[in-house]
Amino acid sequence: KQEVTQIPAALSVPEGENLVLNCSFTDSAIYNLQWFRQDPGKGLTSLLLIQSSQREQTSGRLNASLDKSSGRSTLYIAASQPGDSATYLCAVGGGGADGLTFGKGTHLIIQP
Amino acid sequence: DAGVIQSPRHEVTEMGQEVTLRCKPISGHNSLFWYRQTMMRGLELLIYFNNNVPIDDSGMPEDRFSAKMPNASFSTLKIQPSEPRDSAVYFCASSPYREMNTEAFFGQGTRLTVV
Repeated sequence: KQEVTQIPAALSVPEGENLVLNCSFTDSAIYNLQWFRQDPGKGLTSLLLIQSSQREQTSGRLNASLDKSSGRSTLYIAASQPGDSATYLCAVGGGGADGLTFGKGTHLIIQP
Repeated sequence: DAGVIQSPRHEVTEMGQEVTLRCKPISGHNSLFWYRQTMMRGLELLIYFNNNVPIDDSGMPEDRFSAKMPNASFSTLKIQPSEPRDSAVYFCASSPYREMNTEAFFGQGTRLTVV
């Protein structure tokens, strides 16, 4: 059964810092990996989708990498801002599971 | 497109009552998913449909839960009878096609409270 782990569970950093969120998964036979953002009481907003054949994807200040063989992905946020405060969720498609298998998320706070 | 639309946004009901959650996927998407989010277990897949047909319902916790997709633009998740432990946020998501490496889009969720 696919399992997804996100480290750290929570992170608080001053505004302006670059930071890295980590995601690992147990079954490397995935179709894709998706990073989401969730604000309190809100739905999930898709940030980046990485196909299994890709190594990374970039959108603005966000860069996500994928190392399928080692079962790892990172989300890099450059020049963090208070508006980046949210819970970031990593989810993998495939790996023996239908739909997406989610990690528990990293709760990020950016201090002004 | 307005995205995935769920209703109601909030539902408070008494234990034993029937609850029906509704979802309208993005037009043209062939796959629809129902997830449940709790503090303890995070986000879990309950059931998914491909071309309106239920493919895998192994995540449905009990027989009290049922889901239907009568057409490509509408799905329901029903809980009967509801119990306090069913309290959670229920999300519906759609994607263009399961076998292709396509992105999943989520609705805003329905926050269910069973008292």
